[in-house]
Amino acid sequence: GNSVTQMEGPVTLSEEAFLTINCTYTATGYPSLFWYVQYPGEGLQLLLKATKADDKGSNKGFEATYRKETTSFHLEKGSVQVSDSAVYFCALKQARTDKLIFGTGTRLQVFP
Amino acid sequence: DSGVTQTPKHLITATGQRVTLRCSPRSGDLSVYWYQQSLDQGLQFLIQYYNGEERAKGNILERFSAQQFPDLHSELNLSSLELGDSALYFCASSVGTSGISYEQYFGPGTRLTVT
Repeated sequence: GNSVTQMEGPVTLSEEAFLTINCTYTATGYPSLFWYVQYPGEGLQLLLKATKADDKGSNKGFEATYRKETTSFHLEKGSVQVSDSAVYFCALKQARTDKLIFGTGTRLQVFP
Repeated sequence: DSGVTQTPKHLITATGQRVTLRCSPRSGDLSVYWYQQSLDQGLQFLIQYYNGEERAKGNILERFSAQQFPDLHSELNLSSLELGDSALYFCASSVGTSGISYEQYFGPGTRLTVT
């Protein structure tokens, strides 16, 4: 079946460090891929998305590239801030369906 | 603020009881989704409604049911509650359906604690 695997957290970084959160997926066909962010006490917010192979999603300095050959959608940011501390969820959506399948989430903690 | 509202914010109840969670989608959105976030199961899709009709079902227990009303708000009913039903329940909404990558906007969630 379809699934998403994320790296275990927490990921602990100093401000201005480089961030990578790994995400790989298992799916038939060509799913759409998403990164959502959940700040403490809040709902999920869409951070970025990619709908086909080699697409790069980007927002607020975060980037992720849809790699079909490695079935991956790793999240990166060149210089993290304390305000980026949150839980990040990778998710996929199959064509002709609307439900999102989420990974387990990765907690990011950024210290000054 | 996503524009999706959920009430109540917190709910504490006892085993065996029944509760109703309410969700109002963003203005203009026709699709409503319910997700459950728990420590052991993670974030799981429960059910989707589109313009008043059930569209898709996920891992929703038979003790749970949902509906979407003519004004497009939705309610999730949880009955015969068990300790394991304690979780954060999210509602999300989107403009449309049928597989196009419409963005889903999430509400702040209802935290249910079953004692």
